[in-house]
Amino acid sequence: SAVISQKPSRDICQRGTSLTIQCQVDSQVTMMFWYRQQPGQSLTLIATANQGSEATYESGFVIDKFPISRPNLTFSTLTVSNMSPEDSSIYLCSAGTLGGADTQYFGPGTRLTVL
Amino acid sequence: KQEVTQIPAALSVPEGENLVLNCSFTDSAIYNLQWFRQDPGKGLTSLLLIQSSQREQTSGRLNASLDKSSGRSTLYIAASQPGDSATYLCAVIFSSGSARQLTFGSGTQLTVLP
Repeated sequence: SAVISQKPSRDICQRGTSLTIQCQVDSQVTMMFWYRQQPGQSLTLIATANQGSEATYESGFVIDKFPISRPNLTFSTLTVSNMSPEDSSIYLCSAGTLGGADTQYFGPGTRLTVL
Repeated sequence: KQEVTQIPAALSVPEGENLVLNCSFTDSAIYNLQWFRQDPGKGLTSLLLIQSSQREQTSGRLNASLDKSSGRSTLYIAASQPGDSATYLCAVIFSSGSARQLTFGSGTQLTVLP
């Protein structure tokens, strides 16, 4: 199994600012993903973080708003740019390795509140 | 569009009761199905994973089944305890996805009353 940590665990931000969330995995993994969970909702995939190349975004999410980096096999960042109150959500990082069962593990999440 | 649905949205049972949570998916071509637990304000804990070639998986008081032909999975919890209270999420990796991303259901919020 993989143990995933995220920083910060929570933050309160002002409208128009940006926040970068870090995700660290304790072992090398093939796949890393970023999800958003809006209040009272289930998880929605934002993008797949690709090592050394641009992330693959899902419909409705764009790089200018959610730039993602993945410089190596164990680390990724998600930035929420030019925030508005509608961005208030829990942001979760997940990771897994291709082959075998392909179990995905999740970080504890970052709870973001935008005022 | 590939979708995952969970019924019921909420369930309340007395302690000690056995219960079943349901998950359905629109495309039978799946890679695997995973059940998660989420406590309020927390991340997700993986409970069970069923690969497409399997029909069920068991861990302690939990048993998950998979019927691809009917597009259904169930999570059976035996002898429920108040500590089982949480939201249970079903998630599917559809075979058509190239990057193994999970598609989540909306979850079942379980309350076990002492």
